[in-house]
Amino acid sequence: NAGVTQTPKFQVLKTGQSMTLQCAQDMNHNSMYWYRQDPGMGLRLIYYSASEGTTDKGEVPNGYNVSRLNKREFSLRLESAAPSQTSVYFCASSTTSNQPQHFGDGTRLSIL
Amino acid sequence: QKEVEQDPGPLSVPEGAIVSLNCTYSNSAFQYFMWYRQYSRKGPELLMYTYSSGNKEDGRFTAQVDKSSKYISLFIRDSQPSDSATYLCANGAWDYAGNNRKLIWGLGTSLAVNP
Repeated sequence: NAGVTQTPKFQVLKTGQSMTLQCAQDMNHNSMYWYRQDPGMGLRLIYYSASEGTTDKGEVPNGYNVSRLNKREFSLRLESAAPSQTSVYFCASSTTSNQPQHFGDGTRLSIL
Repeated sequence: QKEVEQDPGPLSVPEGAIVSLNCTYSNSAFQYFMWYRQYSRKGPELLMYTYSSGNKEDGRFTAQVDKSSKYISLFIRDSQPSDSATYLCANGAWDYAGNNRKLIWGLGTSLAVNP
């Protein structure tokens, strides 16, 4: 049972570099989410996709873009990484947008 | 005032103790309530989900919701060292169409259960 799989698990970038965080779920869920988790700030929603073909901004979308590639996959892209984007990024999915979310184990991203 | 608040802890208890974890919220629009457990370097894992006042039990875990006082509790009976983790409270509201309109997370309470 893979559930929600995130790649990579760790990444170090230099300021200004770009990268894409990948997320895939095998639970046939319609809704998918990207969060960041920072000490003292908790989980904050970056973007979400209520269903295939739709994406919406969350609480902290600036500096990020997303793509819902298909029902299984939802990627998060940093076009020009900044040190303030150093964080742990979690992808989650749910059956529908009003059901509990299931999380992956995160990507730890450091930007120097 | 944050919309969802938890005591950060750490809370340290001996193995076998009954643990009480608490969460308060300020927005009366919240309609559903969840508890997640997060182990170090792992993603949050859903423990309990409820949308009504009262108690909901699942094994050693009981979630208690009091909407009148905006107070949520998670009780863990016969606590084990494997329960050592951070416990996150999350509260949400639906819109008129039943879609998730708002989901707010607490910062979590760190629990250590000592053998």
